[in-house]
Amino acid sequence: AQSVTQLGSHVSVSEGALVLLRCNYSSSVPPYLFWYVQYPNQGLQLLLKYTSAATLVKGINGFEAEFKKSETSFHLTKPSAHMSDAAEYFCAVSDSGGYNKLIFGAGTRLAVHP
Amino acid sequence: DAGVIQSPRHEVTEMGQEVTLRCKPISGHDYLFWYRQTMMRGLELLIYFNNNVPIDDSGMPEDRFSAKMPNASFSTLKIQPSEPRDSAVYFCASSLRGPTGYTFGSGTRLTVV
Repeated sequence: AQSVTQLGSHVSVSEGALVLLRCNYSSSVPPYLFWYVQYPNQGLQLLLKYTSAATLVKGINGFEAEFKKSETSFHLTKPSAHMSDAAEYFCAVSDSGGYNKLIFGAGTRLAVHP
Repeated sequence: DAGVIQSPRHEVTEMGQEVTLRCKPISGHDYLFWYRQTMMRGLELLIYFNNNVPIDDSGMPEDRFSAKMPNASFSTLKIQPSEPRDSAVYFCASSLRGPTGYTFGSGTRLTVV
C-alpha cells in the first residue's frame, strides 16, 4: 500500500534561512507526488507535483522539490524563508489503485521567525 | 473559475441534529472527494466519486454519515444524528482524470455541542 511519512511535525526557521521539509514515500508502482500548503482557516493549495517528467520540480512561491527514487524521497525546499511561508505543508502520493486518489502525510507546520 | 465552493463555512449544531454540508466542484472535473480534518487524526478521506458515482466510501466512519452526488455540479455530506466527536473541518475537493492534483474548497468548520 502507498504511504507517506513526513519527518518532523514542526519545523522552525529564521526569516531568510533555507526551508527543508522532508517527505518519504512508499509505493508499489511509480508514484505521482504532490506538495500542498494550508494557511490558517483555508483549504489546501497545490504547491507542486511530480508526474514522472523532470525530477526537480518547481512550484509556486519559490518552492521546489526533488524526486529521488533511490531514497524514496520528495523533500520540499526554499532557499530563503519569508514570514508569509508560515503554514502547514502536506506531502501526498497517488494511490496505486487509482491515480486520482491521494494518500496524504500527517503534515509539517512551518514557523518562520524574524 | 470560482473554484470549489463549500457551504456553509461554519456550522454550529446541537447533538442529535441533522447536518448537511454542500459542495460545488469545478466545472468539468470528473472526481469529487470529501475529507475530514482534525488535530488528532489529520486529513481523512471519507468518500470519493467519479462521474457522480461513489467509488470508495470505506472512510465513512459510521452509518450516521452519508454522501450523495445527484449531478456533476453538486454533492452533499450528511450527518444524522450528529455527535460532538463529529466536530471537525470538512473539505471537499475536485480533480480532473489523471494525476493532476486536487483543488480544495475552503472547508466547513462543524461544531457539534
